[in-house]
This record gives sequence, C-alpha cells and structure tokens, in this order.
Amino acid sequence: NAGVMQNPRHLVRRRGQEARLRCSPMKGHSHVYWYRQLPEEGLKFMVYLQKENIIDESGMPKERFSAEFPKEGPSILRIQQVVRGDSAAYFCASSPAKTGSRLYGYTFGSGTRLTVV
Amino acid sequence: EDKVVQSPLSLVVHEGDTVTLNCSYEVTNFRSLLWYKQEKKAPTFLFMLTSSGIEKKSGRLSSILDKKELSSILNITATQTGDSAIYLCASVGAGGTSYGKLTFGQGTILTVHP
Repeated sequence: NAGVMQNPRHLVRRRGQEARLRCSPMKGHSHVYWYRQLPEEGLKFMVYLQKENIIDESGMPKERFSAEFPKEGPSILRIQQVVRGDSAAYFCASSPAKTGSRLYGYTFGSGTRLTVV
Repeated sequence: EDKVVQSPLSLVVHEGDTVTLNCSYEVTNFRSLLWYKQEKKAPTFLFMLTSSGIEKKSGRLSSILDKKELSSILNITATQTGDSAIYLCASVGAGGTSYGKLTFGQGTILTVHP
C-alpha cells in the first residue's frame, strides 16, 4: 500500500505563475482533505472533497485557490497568480468513507513545499 | 470557530527526561481529539481520544482526555533523541460537513538532547 502520494515534493514558482499540487489518496479511500502549514504554525484546514464533489471549502481563500477531485485521477489543488504569502507546505490527507473508521484511517501525505520567489 | 491551543510551544530536554505536552480545545459538537507526531515529513498518527479519563498507551507514550476541562495531555517517559519532533494536537467535531475536518493546534516542538 503506497499510502497518500503527493507530488511534486518541492515546487518553486515565480510570483504571478500558477501552482498545481497533486494528491493521490490511499487505495480504498474516497475522501480527500487539503491542509496548509505556514512556517511555525499548525496545519490549517482548506478543503474537503469526495469524488466529483466539494463537501467543505470553508478554509479556502476566496480568490486564486481552487480544488477538484475528479472521477478519475488525483485530487488537484490549484493556486493561480501565486504571491510570496502562498509559500508554505501543503498537505493532503485521505480517509475511508465509512464514518466509524474515518478518523482511524485518516492518513497524511508527505506534503508539497511551495516556494514563491 | 473551533480552536485548539497547545503548550508549551517548544521544549528542550535531555534523554531520559519525562515530558508532558498540553492541549486545550473549544469545539462545537466535540467528537474526538487526535495526537500526531510530525518529523520532516507527513504527520503520523499517535492516539485518538473520545472518552474522558481513559488513558491510551503506546510504549513510552500515553495520553488522556479530560472533557470537563476541555483538555488533553500527552506524556512521553524516558525520552530519546528519536522523540525530537513537532507534536500536533487536533480536534474534530461531529455531524455535518465538520466530520473529518481536523482543527489543529500550533504544535509543540520537542528537542531531546543526548
């Protein structure tokens, strides 16, 4: 079981460019969550998705950020026109659908470190 | 808005010491509290606490939840250099879309010197 796979591990973008972060959930997991970790801060929830559905995007900035989890393929977190303040580690987690096992099965990927120069 | 606060923010000890990390929470419809260990990679699961007063143990680590005080502690006995990491506490509420969404504290950076 390969676990939650995120790529790329490191991403450098110039201000104004687009950043695309990918997350492949664990096998059998249909729920995906994105978190952002700024330097010396805890993880902040951004968005919760199921296949083809955004369940909760209450932590997403209103502009420039979007997320999707298509029927086929990985979940994508997209940041348009990046600014220096977007520099952070972005973590994805996945969990099973079944409520009783969702928290025990909650597994994080190794993150993507985004640096905006 | 749900809130989780950890203390201390950082801690430096010597091998063999015992440490206690604190976590307090304010969560609507509280369901569970989780502890994670984060080294330079993915946070890894340590404990999930749902019931008050029941200690969970794993080797030298143990944790307990106090729902009356809205808090939890994580104890590490006989610390080793390999325990050096950021320890994260997270809460989760029940019901609606909040289930599965974790609210994290700032983390406690633990450094264990030989």
